[in-house]
Amino acid sequence: DGGITQSPKYLFRKEGQNVTLSCEQNLNHDAMYWYRQDPGQGLRLIYYSQIVNDFQKGDIAEGYSVSREKKESFPLTVTSAQKNPTAFYLCASSTGTSKVVGTDTQYFGPGTRLTVL
Amino acid sequence: DAKTTQPNSMESNEEEPVHLPCNHSTISGTDYIHWYRQLPSQGPEYVIHGLTSNVNNRMASLAIAEDRKSSTLILHRATLRDAAVYYCILLPYSGAGSYQLTFGKGTKLSVIP
Repeated sequence: DGGITQSPKYLFRKEGQNVTLSCEQNLNHDAMYWYRQDPGQGLRLIYYSQIVNDFQKGDIAEGYSVSREKKESFPLTVTSAQKNPTAFYLCASSTGTSKVVGTDTQYFGPGTRLTVL
Repeated sequence: DAKTTQPNSMESNEEEPVHLPCNHSTISGTDYIHWYRQLPSQGPEYVIHGLTSNVNNRMASLAIAEDRKSSTLILHRATLRDAAVYYCILLPYSGAGSYQLTFGKGTKLSVIP
């Protein structure tokens, strides 16, 4: 089955530690995204990538880093510089190649809930 | 960016139709209207999108006002599995490469057995 996997589902880390969240897709999508969601709020974009070896900052990139070495993988590292990292993190992908952005749809993974103690 | 306005919450009885409204009075002529929903503790899922004409798919129908300043997502027979937060989002016709989905707070739909 095609889809997006995120691991782990729950993650606990001590304050000051870096942590890497995994995101893999087998949909053959070019574009991938990372969002953060806080309780009762909508999603906010952290980073996105249109093609391999290229990525762009979203609205809240400070304290996060990403890499895109393979088309199917887009890991997110939450660094110690992120002031309030406890949140629900969602990865998504889309075809991303259409010029008609308005018709593109994003597919989301199940999310990783990060708690920093 | 064009904004959307949705009610904070709505209730529906199971097996009855649900009409979820969205106002987007500043929509541009080429913005697409998308709907996503998010079940508790899960990632959002795409529901439907449209530009001018009403749209139907296996999940729902989308009714778009003639002036495009509002739209309505229609669930024909609500089930307990439809209890979720529904987001109405506008996307431009085209732009530089990828795009971000701007999620507001959406409408929390409760389905009563």
